[in-house]
Amino acid sequence: QLVLTQSPSASASLGASVKLTCTLNSGHSSYAIAWHQQQPEKGPRYLMKLNSDGSHSKGDGIADRFSGSSSGAERYLTISSLQSEDEADYYCQTWGTGIAVFGGGTPLTVL
Amino acid sequence: EVQLLESGGGLVQPGGSLRLSCAASGFTFSSSAMSWVRQAPGKGLEWVSTISGSGGSTFYADSVKGRFTISRDSSKNTLYLQMNSLRAEDTAVYYCAKDSTQVVFQVDYWGQGTLVTVSS
Repeated sequence: QLVLTQSPSASASLGASVKLTCTLNSGHSSYAIAWHQQQPEKGPRYLMKLNSDGSHSKGDGIADRFSGSSSGAERYLTISSLQSEDEADYYCQTWGTGIAVFGGGTPLTVL
Repeated sequence: EVQLLESGGGLVQPGGSLRLSCAASGFTFSSSAMSWVRQAPGKGLEWVSTISGSGGSTFYADSVKGRFTISRDSSKNTLYLQMNSLRAEDTAVYYCAKDSTQVVFQVDYWGQGTLVTVSS
């Protein structure tokens, strides 16, 4: 069974950096994921695809402040120079044979 | 510019049916798999269903298998989700999503969503 685990919450100050984590369950540590952002009262927005080797490809118009990295079964989303509009829910997504899975999401508060 | 515009949501009684539509533009519709993802009130995202670019392959979450049917009409650049035997737990915003041309199931564009409420 394919499962993604995300931290229940995160917070950081305006202008600072934050690193969000998405963990793949045992047996799936080589899987790629995608990161999506959902601002309050809006539909989600695709941020990037992140591979197990840390290489990533971003969606259209995604700022350089957003970057991804990987270590083992963990996939990270780093947001630098935090802005107020970065306050949102962040979801990771992965996929397997005939199925897609989303993590539970991490709400990010910008202080 | 990729655009996905959902329609067809509304209030329906338990056991009832509803068909959602998603009008797509800005990309070669037949080249991309398409998905439906839903979000119950105050909850996270849940994958519902995916259809291949040709329409020949379809995939469903266990929670909707046997009740929902995904389809597409390439002549109209439109994706559909036929929802039957609706339950209260199907209440959610339903998002239409375009999958990456390289990776089926990996969403790279989202619609704005349409709300489905199942209640008596």
